[in-house]
Amino acid sequence: EAEVAQSPRYKITEKSQAVAFWCDPISGHATLYWYRQILGQGPELLVQFQDESVVDDSQLPKDRFSAERLKGVDSTLKIQPAELGDSAMYLCASSLVRGSYNEQFFGPGTRLTVL
Amino acid sequence: DQQVKQNSPSLSVQEGRISILNCDYTNSMFDYFLWYKKYPAEGPTFLISISSIKDKNEDGRFTVFLNKSAKHLSLHIVPSQPGDSAVYFCAAYNQGGKLIFGQGTELSVKP
Repeated sequence: EAEVAQSPRYKITEKSQAVAFWCDPISGHATLYWYRQILGQGPELLVQFQDESVVDDSQLPKDRFSAERLKGVDSTLKIQPAELGDSAMYLCASSLVRGSYNEQFFGPGTRLTVL
Repeated sequence: DQQVKQNSPSLSVQEGRISILNCDYTNSMFDYFLWYKKYPAEGPTFLISISSIKDKNEDGRFTVFLNKSAKHLSLHIVPSQPGDSAVYFCAAYNQGGKLIFGQGTELSVKP
């Protein structure tokens, strides 16, 4: 069964360091999402790609976060510099097409701890 | 502004009994709702959905009810099984196609 792949699964870093997370969506899925889930809360969308283009990054803290999906397939989310408040689960999801009613398939996530 | 709310952080149910998870929303323009289940160290997986034109959708042991006038939906699991123990997220699509999640309810089904 096709799955969304993410790496690393766990990352521990010190504040002010740079971190990067990688996501490989299900083959053929045009839409890719990065979510952040803080403990005790639901996932919150950070950025959404349609192919290689960003269609929604309104909740992405652009002073320190960046995301790219250069060839419209896999994607990288970067944080530089990391802050203590960035400790969270970072989830990647993909869907076949963009828009409502389309099931989003989630990867296992990257658990980030900033010390 | 929490547009999708799950006010019960946790729920404990005996195996074989009914589990009822509740969700409230504030935006009357939401027109499609989903439930996701999440096990520890895994990503959320889709469970069941309902369109605003319906008031009930059933899939095996899982049924979702939608009360639009009350802006409330609920997930019923009958009978509950220990393998159902997980965190359940209610979510809704807004007008822009963004999925808005609730805070989650941790269900524990005791043998």
